[in-house]
Amino acid sequence: NAGVMQNPRHLVRRRGQEARLRCSPMKGHSHVYWYRQLPEEGLKFMVYLQKENIIDESGMPKERFSAEFPKEGPSILRIQQVVRGDSAAYFCASSSDERGGRNEQYFGPGTRLTVT
Amino acid sequence: AQTVTQSQPEMSVQEAETVTLSCTYDTSENNYYLFWYKQPPSRQMILVIRQEAYKQQNATENRFSVNFQKAAKSFSLKISDSQLGDTAMYFCAFMKRGGAQKLVFGQGTRLTINP
Repeated sequence: NAGVMQNPRHLVRRRGQEARLRCSPMKGHSHVYWYRQLPEEGLKFMVYLQKENIIDESGMPKERFSAEFPKEGPSILRIQQVVRGDSAAYFCASSSDERGGRNEQYFGPGTRLTVT
Repeated sequence: AQTVTQSQPEMSVQEAETVTLSCTYDTSENNYYLFWYKQPPSRQMILVIRQEAYKQQNATENRFSVNFQKAAKSFSLKISDSQLGDTAMYFCAFMKRGGAQKLVFGQGTRLTINP
């Protein structure tokens, strides 16, 4: 069973460009979480999605950031008009619907975004 | 809102020694989970151990064990017989039971195991 997959692993964007980060959850998982890790800090929750629905986006900046998890295909975290402060590692995690499964999140390897 | 505090930014021990990492948290919830995650230089987040708040017995996974003190809101991680491969950042995390079940992380402790 393949784990959580994220791509790209590294992404370099110039200020003002758009960044698209992809996350494919583990097979059978329908819950996706995105977290951001700034240098030398812990992970901070951004958004929680189920298929086709955003459930909790309380940690996501109101402007320039959006997320989706379509019926088919990976979850996408989109950052428009990137700024240097967006440079960070972005982690995706997934969990299952099984009894007790939602309390165990499996993490992908992360995407390191660098804004130049 | 919940907060998680790890008061030790860095720790260093010799191989085979025992080391304890501290974590305290603040919450008004009664039903929750606590976790320790390991982040090696590869940056992959790896679940080390999990504790359910309603269980009084401390969780154990091989060389890793926790000391869960619910009244004190303390959740420390003990690593016995430490190995070079234990070198990593360690994050304590809180998850409220029910609702969005998002993880709230501490700032991390950088642990170095010396040969």
